[in-house]
Amino acid sequence: QVQLVESGGGVVQPGRSLRLSCAPSGFTFSNYAMHWVRQAPGKGLEWVALIWYDGSNKKYVDSVKGRFTISRDNSENSLYLQMNSLRVEDTAVYYCVRDPLYCTSTSCHFRMDVWGQGTTVTVSS
Amino acid sequence: DIQMTQSPSSLSASVGDRVTITCQASQDIKNYLNWYQQRPGKAPQLLIYDASFLQTGVPSRFSGSGSGTDFTLTINSLQPEDFATYYCQQYGDLVCSFGQGTKLEIK
Repeated sequence: QVQLVESGGGVVQPGRSLRLSCAPSGFTFSNYAMHWVRQAPGKGLEWVALIWYDGSNKKYVDSVKGRFTISRDNSENSLYLQMNSLRVEDTAVYYCVRDPLYCTSTSCHFRMDVWGQGTTVTVSS
Repeated sequence: DIQMTQSPSSLSASVGDRVTITCQASQDIKNYLNWYQQRPGKAPQLLIYDASFLQTGVPSRFSGSGSGTDFTLTINSLQPEDFATYYCQQYGDLVCSFGQGTKLEIK
């Protein structure tokens, strides 16, 4: 069945780095855009980053620009989130999310239709 | 950046009730608006996309409407499994953002 499995979370000190991975299964990974979405403890959802199906376009929330990098390897069926210069406020559950993005000549349409179960990142000294 | 304001932040209702949750965008986002449900301890699930289209497998008691800046999620005949938190999400400028969420509780 269609599934996304995140890994790589853990406890890290402020200023350090961590790389999250997401392993998709049950669908053709290279046909889909992918997102990372996070949720701080007891808080709402925050979109973090987006990558086009072929990696040609990437978008980030302002709070992680210059610190986080989203990437993918379609030949290895993997999605990544490299997180550098981590801050206490980056503490959250990080979800890997699939998007069947489609674009017309005038607009692109997103919807996050499959979510992983999340991996927990704790930034603490 | 486009800001999304959801209301109410919490809501109490009974099984069988009809409830409405609203989401307002800080600027015109056409119909670039999705709705998600999150049950406690679980990952979110897509309910409605492009403001009014029901995601495959989602019960027809869920519906969405609106365009421009004002959007509505309606749940008819509430079921016990519907008590959860609901989020709107926009993608009007190719950068996504979520509303702050509406927690739907049993009265």
